[in-house]
Amino acid sequence: QQPVQSPQAVILREGEDAVINCSSSKALYSVHWYRQKHGEAPVFLMILLKGGEQKGHEKISASFNEKKQQSSLYLTASQLSYSGTYFCGTRGGSQGNLIFGKGTKLSVKP
Amino acid sequence: NAGVTQTPKFRILKIGQSMTLQCTQDMNHNYMYWYRQDPGMGLKLIYYSVGAGITDKGEVPNGYNVSRSTTEDFPLRLELAAPSQTSVYFCASSYRTGMNTEAFFGQGTRLTVV
Repeated sequence: QQPVQSPQAVILREGEDAVINCSSSKALYSVHWYRQKHGEAPVFLMILLKGGEQKGHEKISASFNEKKQQSSLYLTASQLSYSGTYFCGTRGGSQGNLIFGKGTKLSVKP
Repeated sequence: NAGVTQTPKFRILKIGQSMTLQCTQDMNHNYMYWYRQDPGMGLKLIYYSVGAGITDKGEVPNGYNVSRSTTEDFPLRLELAAPSQTSVYFCASSYRTGMNTEAFFGQGTRLTVV
């Protein structure tokens, strides 16, 4: 079951904050977050492995609520370089395959 | 380190032709994946492998085949290409328990079927 991301798209001004959500109808064991810039391959940001875990990567952080089966990615004081499409990934089956949501397109304007 | 290498980068196929997309990684990763990405859409899992000799279907396997004879290589075969297979294809790999480690992606193969 593909995870569901919201919103589909976000437009920000430099310095503004954004939150991207990822939820699943199935139990979440871990959540991956990736960013893809136009015409490039997805690049890993972080993995959250436990319920309640929070992680940070520069001014980008994430939380994982196992009970609610959701994760959120927080982008604070956004920079132009944050523009791209953000994907969350979760386990799709027992063998640990990795399936992704449809992505959230983030555009940061000057 | 080369990481995950995909070839070719671009290809145009005629309807009904066949081709193999090559993927190789030099990180000794057990897990390998093939995804397709249509314009404005997310990444759809085609096939994946948890080790040499073991492959399994993902979300959209129809029209594709894979093999994993070595740890390093995971080719994707398209038989009887159709316009619906026009897409960007990404190969990825991860170490051991795939869900607990990051996936590394190749630079993609842009395929057009005409």
